[in-house]
Amino acid sequence: AQSVTQLGSHVSVSEGALVLLRCNYSSSVPPYLFWYVQYPNQGLQLLLKYTSAATLVKGINGFEAEFKKSETSFHLTKPSAHMSDAAEYFCAVSEGNQGGKLIFGQGTELSVKP
Amino acid sequence: NAGVTQTPKFQVLKTGQSMTLQCAQDMNHNSMYWYRQDPGMGLRLIYYSASEGTTDKGEVPNGYNVSRLNKREFSLRLESAAPSQTSVYFCASSDDRGLAEQYFGPGTRLTVT
Repeated sequence: AQSVTQLGSHVSVSEGALVLLRCNYSSSVPPYLFWYVQYPNQGLQLLLKYTSAATLVKGINGFEAEFKKSETSFHLTKPSAHMSDAAEYFCAVSEGNQGGKLIFGQGTELSVKP
Repeated sequence: NAGVTQTPKFQVLKTGQSMTLQCAQDMNHNSMYWYRQDPGMGLRLIYYSASEGTTDKGEVPNGYNVSRLNKREFSLRLESAAPSQTSVYFCASSDDRGLAEQYFGPGTRLTVT
């Protein structure tokens, strides 16, 4: 069965610092991987997705993630945090061939200090 | 395009009451989903529908029923609400052409007392 583990339920960084949110997955088939962001009292928005075309994926708002098969990881990074990046971030894996069911990680809440 | 819409936005129920959460999408997607979000647990799939006329159980279906009324609409029903069903409920839809990116509604915050 597929699963996703996000390391760290809360991450705090200073404005301008590197953002690193960790995600490890388990899948018996080549996965599709996603990062979603949720701002307070809103639904989820797609940040980026990995679909096997390239291992380094660029998303919106300056975020990117690198797929590392050997480490079963898909960590999310941003070189310089902005106050507006404060939100909850979810990593998710898809079975890909069954109507797109997603398995979500527990979420990581990102705080950005001025 | 409105995307995915959900009604109501907020609801308070007493234990044992019933209600239906409504969801509609205008993106002509085949697949639709209902999730619940609880602190520290991410989103968990309740039910999904891969196409009009079909529904399947997800990870946490107990206490819920769904109806895929047509291609646009997918409703979630709580027949006899329990405090354990206090949660935020999200509906989502996706185009099932391989990439499975899901589009989410704004959510319904449900409290059962």
